[in-house]
Amino acid sequence: GAGVSQSPSNKVTEKGKDVELRCDPISGHTALYWYRQSLGQGLEFLIYFQGNSAPDKSGLPSDRFSAERTGGSVSTLTIQRTQQEDSAVYLCASRDTGGAETQYFGPGTRLLVL
Amino acid sequence: GDSVTQMEGPVTLSEEAFLTINCTYTATGYPSLFWYVQYPGEGLQLLLKATKADDKGSNKGFEATYRKETTSFHLEKGSVQVSDSAVYFCALMMDSSYKLIFGSGTRLLVRP
Repeated sequence: GAGVSQSPSNKVTEKGKDVELRCDPISGHTALYWYRQSLGQGLEFLIYFQGNSAPDKSGLPSDRFSAERTGGSVSTLTIQRTQQEDSAVYLCASRDTGGAETQYFGPGTRLLVL
Repeated sequence: GDSVTQMEGPVTLSEEAFLTINCTYTATGYPSLFWYVQYPGEGLQLLLKATKADDKGSNKGFEATYRKETTSFHLEKGSVQVSDSAVYFCALMMDSSYKLIFGSGTRLLVRP
């Protein structure tokens, strides 16, 4: 079946612009995660959605970062007023919460802020 | 806080050599432990996992044993192949949050 998909695969933007990154989880997976993979910081957790519960935003690095998940499926990560240090690969993962722990990752969006 | 430490790479081996990538963790409870692999140009894939002490995870010839006494989850393979060249990430997950905490990753390069 289809895996986690993300778009765009690559994004180049200018400092100060806003960007939106999209994630389509595996159908039926109720848990969705965003992570960031950067040279200086490795792989970091950003935010976690579980069903209709309030999201766990504890990993968001600043208030310029926000995310939403509409209809319990697609998620959008928005970065406002991008900075060069936001350059990274943004990974989305989903999990079937029916007793399973495994997270399935998408291919990522590579963001470059000039 | 909870954390994962893994050996720095790159690790360069000849084909058919024995592989060990060390991973240790710090956690306040009893996490589940994972190894993820990232092949060149591809996304993260689960390689193996273990959910409790003394469990052994295995897949594709790789093994790792959950050692509570040493808080370790070292990855091993008896005979590596060129196709094993990738970046390997050790990670833990606490039941309460289900978010993964990753190590810094270890790049493995296997030469023919």
